[in-house]
Amino acid sequence: NAGVMQNPRHLVRRRGQEARLRCSPMKGHSHVYWYRQLPEEGLKFMVYLQKENIIDESGMPKERFSAEFPKEGPSILRIQQVVRGDSAAYFCASSPPLRSTDTQYFGPGTRLTVL
Amino acid sequence: AQTVTQSQPEMSVQEAETVTLSCTYDTSESNYYLFWYKQPPSRQMILVIRQEAYKQQNATENRFSVNFQKAAKSFSLKISDSQLGDTAMYFCAFVASGYSTLTFGKGTMLLVSP
Repeated sequence: NAGVMQNPRHLVRRRGQEARLRCSPMKGHSHVYWYRQLPEEGLKFMVYLQKENIIDESGMPKERFSAEFPKEGPSILRIQQVVRGDSAAYFCASSPPLRSTDTQYFGPGTRLTVL
Repeated sequence: AQTVTQSQPEMSVQEAETVTLSCTYDTSESNYYLFWYKQPPSRQMILVIRQEAYKQQNATENRFSVNFQKAAKSFSLKISDSQLGDTAMYFCAFVASGYSTLTFGKGTMLLVSP
């Protein structure tokens, strides 16, 4: 059973470009979460999605950031017009349906560097 | 709002010894879950152990065990017979029942030396 998949593992963007981060949950998981880890910090919640629905986006910056989890395909975290402060590791996690407080399993993360 | 505090930024232990990592949390919720995650140099987040607050028995996973003190809001991780592969950043995390957001502490860097 494959774990949570994220790609790319490393992404380099120049200021003003767009970054797209992809996450495929574990098989059978329908809940996806995105977290951001700044250097020397713990992970901070960004957004929680189920298929075709955003359930909680209280941790998402109001501008430039968006997330989706379409009926088919991976979940995507999109950052428009990136700035240096967006440089961080972005982790996706997934959990099974029905019990949203079940254990979250994490992907390997995408390390975004903004030049 | 919930907070998770890890008061030890760094810890060191020698191979085969036992080490305990501290974690305290603050919440007004009565039912919740606590986790320890490990982040080795590869940066992958790996679940180490999980505890349901309504269970009085401390969780155990092989060499890893917790000391869960609900009244004191304390959730420490004990690693027995430490191995070089245990070298990693360890994060304590909390989620209230009915919610989905994990709240993480800032982490404790554990170095296991030969």
